Amino acid sequence: DVKVTQSSRYLVKRTGEKVFLECVQDMDHENMFWYRQDPGLGLRLIYFSYDVKMKEKGDIPEGYSVSREKKERFSLILESASTNQTSMYLCASSWGEGTTDTQYFGPGTRLTVL
Amino acid sequence: GQNIDQPTEMTATEGAIVQINCTYQTSGFNGLFWYQQHAGEAPTFLSYNVLDGLEEKGRFSSFLSRSKGYSYLLLKELQMKDSASYLCAVLDSNYQLIWGAGTKLIIKP
Repeated sequence: DVKVTQSSRYLVKRTGEKVFLECVQDMDHENMFWYRQDPGLGLRLIYFSYDVKMKEKGDIPEGYSVSREKKERFSLILESASTNQTSMYLCASSWGEGTTDTQYFGPGTRLTVL
Repeated sequence: GQNIDQPTEMTATEGAIVQINCTYQTSGFNGLFWYQQHAGEAPTFLSYNVLDGLEEKGRFSSFLSRSKGYSYLLLKELQMKDSASYLCAVLDSNYQLIWGAGTKLIIKP
């Protein structure tokens, strides 16, 4: 079974702090994704990566950056957390050259910024 | 713009059948996914449709009509564990997934 893990299930940070969210997948997937999920809205893509050291902006990259130094690990960074970044963050991975393949999700990190 | 519409919430009775609809307007189409998400958990894959018609997988079936921009997820013999949110997502011409807000399904005994 594909396993996608995220470093924390719950996180509380203060405005202005730098926040790191880590995601690791164990299936040698090429593609990795970071989403945020807010009530009443669909999943919104923040960043994705098709290969090591490669990153592409999604729909809402402002205020975020990412790092993919190793194939299995994709990190999301909030350089200076703000209250409007309070959300559920979901990491996903998929096999293959494009995004037609099924995405497998981690359990999510619920981030609260005070 | 791109848009995925699904009902916000539905209620059904244990043992019954429920149909969750999804309509979409996207720039291109490369397939439609249904995911299930239990409260506080990750979404899990249910189905993928790229051709018109019905795909059956046990108690769950998914239908697609590309000409109408329409899909539905059909759940039969409902069980309490089917209480969850059901997410519809469309792969557009750039192979980006566009997600609906999800339908919360409540199953009553």
